[in-house]
Amino acid sequence: NAGVTQTPKFRVLKTGQSMTLLCAQDMNHEYMYWYRQDPGMGLRLIHYSVGEGTTAKGEVPDGYNVSRLKKQNFLLGLESAAPSQTSVYFCASSRTGGGLKNTEAFFGQGTRLTVV
Amino acid sequence: LAKTTQPISMDSYEGQEVNITCSHNNIATNDYITWYQQFPSQGPRFIIQGYKTKVTNEVASLFIPADRKSSTLSLPRVSLSDTAVYYCLVGESGGSQGNLIFGKGTKLSVKP
Repeated sequence: NAGVTQTPKFRVLKTGQSMTLLCAQDMNHEYMYWYRQDPGMGLRLIHYSVGEGTTAKGEVPDGYNVSRLKKQNFLLGLESAAPSQTSVYFCASSRTGGGLKNTEAFFGQGTRLTVV
Repeated sequence: LAKTTQPISMDSYEGQEVNITCSHNNIATNDYITWYQQFPSQGPRFIIQGYKTKVTNEVASLFIPADRKSSTLSLPRVSLSDTAVYYCLVGESGGSQGNLIFGKGTKLSVKP
């Protein structure tokens, strides 16, 4: 049982390049999330999904796109990377969402992305 | 939106009890209060959740007063390994149920 797996773990991009971060979960969770974490800023929600085929904007969605074509996968895309997108990205999933009981989110190990 | 406010940082010594208080004045009726712990270079992990009064597990206790406008995470007899960032979450109920907001958390430093 792998839980939440993020690919890749590290990546260096040049400004203007594109890339896709993959998040896979094997817990049959409905909800999935992408966060970024920068020093002193805590975790900020980029996009989230409440089920297969759905996506929604979080706190800081600009410059990112997401897709949830399969229930177990949540992809985060950077179409034209910028140095401001240098960050650690975390993916998470949960069975339920929001403030409901038993909304326990499970996190991946993170992707460290550097844009030069 | 139930916004939370918690101290940016706290210091403690090994063996002490640590209490971290979180304010959430706009908590909704259906919202639960959840705390997560994040060690350096790792993703956060769930530690405790409650709705009212007191909840205790093997890691921590959570105290919630009757008005539910605040909550206190209590860590008994902390050790160096409890050095981490602690997040208080009160998720949105209703339409935006996926909007799981973490914020900046409280950085706890435990010293020998």
